[in-house]
Amino acid sequence: SQELEQSPQSLIVQEGKNLTINCTSSKTLYGLYWYKQKYGEGLIFLMMLQKGGEEKSHEKITAKLDEKKQQSSLHITASQPSHAGIYLCGAANNAGNMLTFGGGTRLMVKP
Amino acid sequence: EPEVTQTPSHQVTQMGQEVILRCVPISNHLYFYWYRQILGQKVEFLVSFYNNEISEKSEIFDDQFSVERPDGSNFTLKIRSTKLEDSAMYFCASSGLAAISYEQYFGPGTRLTVT
Repeated sequence: SQELEQSPQSLIVQEGKNLTINCTSSKTLYGLYWYKQKYGEGLIFLMMLQKGGEEKSHEKITAKLDEKKQQSSLHITASQPSHAGIYLCGAANNAGNMLTFGGGTRLMVKP
Repeated sequence: EPEVTQTPSHQVTQMGQEVILRCVPISNHLYFYWYRQILGQKVEFLVSFYNNEISEKSEIFDDQFSVERPDGSNFTLKIRSTKLEDSAMYFCASSGLAAISYEQYFGPGTRLTVT
């Protein structure tokens, strides 16, 4: 079965600082999803990556999938308190009919 | 903007009782999913549903669980005889086609508490 490891598990940054969250897979990634979750709430879709080397951006958040398709990174530029939450990576299986999730990275942004 | 909705937002039930969690997926989506998240743990896949049948299920999705699409808009998860360990947040999700190519959107969740 596929395992996703996220690092760091938690992160506290000062507002305005950049940060990176990593997601490493035990197997080749067919589709890699990034979500944001606030405590006790649903998952908000951020981005999906499929191709090795692919990079996508949404506002100040950029996600990349490495060439070998076993690792993804999520980079936030000039962090704001609104970026605080839990960031989850999820991997689709090769049939695309399920997602496996990492343990999440809890981000706090200090004003 | 289209969104996945779930009802109820919170359900409290006694051990051994049956519960039905309801979801309305995004209207033109074809794949439907249930996941759960026990407090403090990872989001776990339960089941996916496509073309009126189960597409994939996890080990968690045993005989106590069932899914149904009773009409053109609702998607339900039934737990026949709830156990204390079924207490979790249950998320419904939907995608246009297979998640390998299409974005998968989640609902706000139903918090199930089994006492």
